[in-house]
Amino acid sequence: ETGVTQTPRHLVMGMTNKKSLKCEQHLGHNAMYWYKQSAKKPLELMFVYNFKEQTENNSVPSRFSPECPNSSHLFLHLHTLQPEDSALYLCASSGRQGAGYGYTFGSGTRLTVV
Amino acid sequence: AQSVTQLGSHVSVSEGALVLLRCNYSSSVPPYLFWYVQYPNQGLQLLLKYTSAATLVKGINGFEAEFKKSETSFHLTKPSAHMSDAAEYFCAVSDGGSEKLVFGKGTKLTVNP
Repeated sequence: ETGVTQTPRHLVMGMTNKKSLKCEQHLGHNAMYWYKQSAKKPLELMFVYNFKEQTENNSVPSRFSPECPNSSHLFLHLHTLQPEDSALYLCASSGRQGAGYGYTFGSGTRLTVV
Repeated sequence: AQSVTQLGSHVSVSEGALVLLRCNYSSSVPPYLFWYVQYPNQGLQLLLKYTSAATLVKGINGFEAEFKKSETSFHLTKPSAHMSDAAEYFCAVSDGGSEKLVFGKGTKLTVNP
């Protein structure tokens, strides 16, 4: 158990579907992150939330819609995705224990768009 | 702004051989440095970190890394590779005043029997 839980672990969706990814942490962290990891590409930071407020959006297409209702929960709402959006989506969190703490990652959601 | 360069996207070693994964960083302030490991279809797991204490840092699974300021490097080593070490390894840096990490592109380690 990593302390950051992502559900579902695997998701197959059609291009016209709407689905959501969920991330939950009970580590007392204030910051949460969504990353996309595609085959043969580096980690791509998508969104950053700090104390529920979005502080970073790295030019992510609007078909990805994040939501952070509180510091413990982070969602990624998906609609009208493309096959190239198939990837491993990773959630991470970090805290105010100090800048040297690093991130705690979830196990990821493997998304396949068909 | 900080940046991280990992030399070699793929490294292959024989079981029992030395593992050396290279990481160079760029930072305008004293950095914090991290190594993470990722097994297939898993998230990233912290291996070790440097936060301005001892320059030689020991981590889990027998890995260690040495911070060399003069070379702006933080290379990861393990004296004897095991088959279970096969994974992708990521180096990351944050500057001293921020939680935000900047990741390298990763190095995939293959261990041959």
